[in-house]
Amino acid sequence: DAGVTQSPTHLIKTRGQQVTLRCSPKSGHDTVSWYQQALGQGPQFIFQYYEEEERQRGNFPDRFSGHQFPNYSSELNVNALLLGDSALYLCASSFGGPPGAYEQYFGPGTRLTVT
Amino acid sequence: AQRVTQPEKLLSVFKGAPVELKCNYSYSGSPELFWYVQYSRQRLQLLLRHISRESIKGFTADLNKGETSFHLKKPFAQEEDSAMYYCALMDSNYQLIWGAGTKLIIKP
Repeated sequence: DAGVTQSPTHLIKTRGQQVTLRCSPKSGHDTVSWYQQALGQGPQFIFQYYEEEERQRGNFPDRFSGHQFPNYSSELNVNALLLGDSALYLCASSFGGPPGAYEQYFGPGTRLTVT
Repeated sequence: AQRVTQPEKLLSVFKGAPVELKCNYSYSGSPELFWYVQYSRQRLQLLLRHISRESIKGFTADLNKGETSFHLKKPFAQEEDSAMYYCALMDSNYQLIWGAGTKLIIKP
């Protein structure tokens, strides 16, 4: 099991563009959470997907949207990119409710740079 | 408001010395607290969870509800402990709220 995988590793976009990041969860996991980590900061929760629906959402604008597929993989979409969206985007997977929900496994992240 | 505070951005100690990484939280309910670690060039990984009461890699953390703290401790630091440490709180919706992290440097 490769664990949680994310693609791409890094990318550079221009202000106003749109970007899609991808995440495959750890084998056996059905829940995917997305986090944004700015330089020098802890991760900030964006949203969580379970059973192909957004279960929880953090304090992020509607420009941030996502999707979960039947195989539990997930996408994070960001529209109308701003310079402030430059960050490391982390995906974490877990299994359902407690106790599995308490253990989140993280991917290596996607480094997004907006110029 | 739900919040996790790690007051030290950087902590530097000598090998063999005791280590204490501080974490304070603000949460109205009964918190689930975690410590995550990120070694150089590796992904974030769970170090320990308060309810498990396990000692992982010699680290322990005690939840003090009176002081709303969850400090991470190790009696004798090792060079391989050098890493970034994050304290996190999981709310009732399984959302993790993170501190800003403490970079721990163990000097030889």
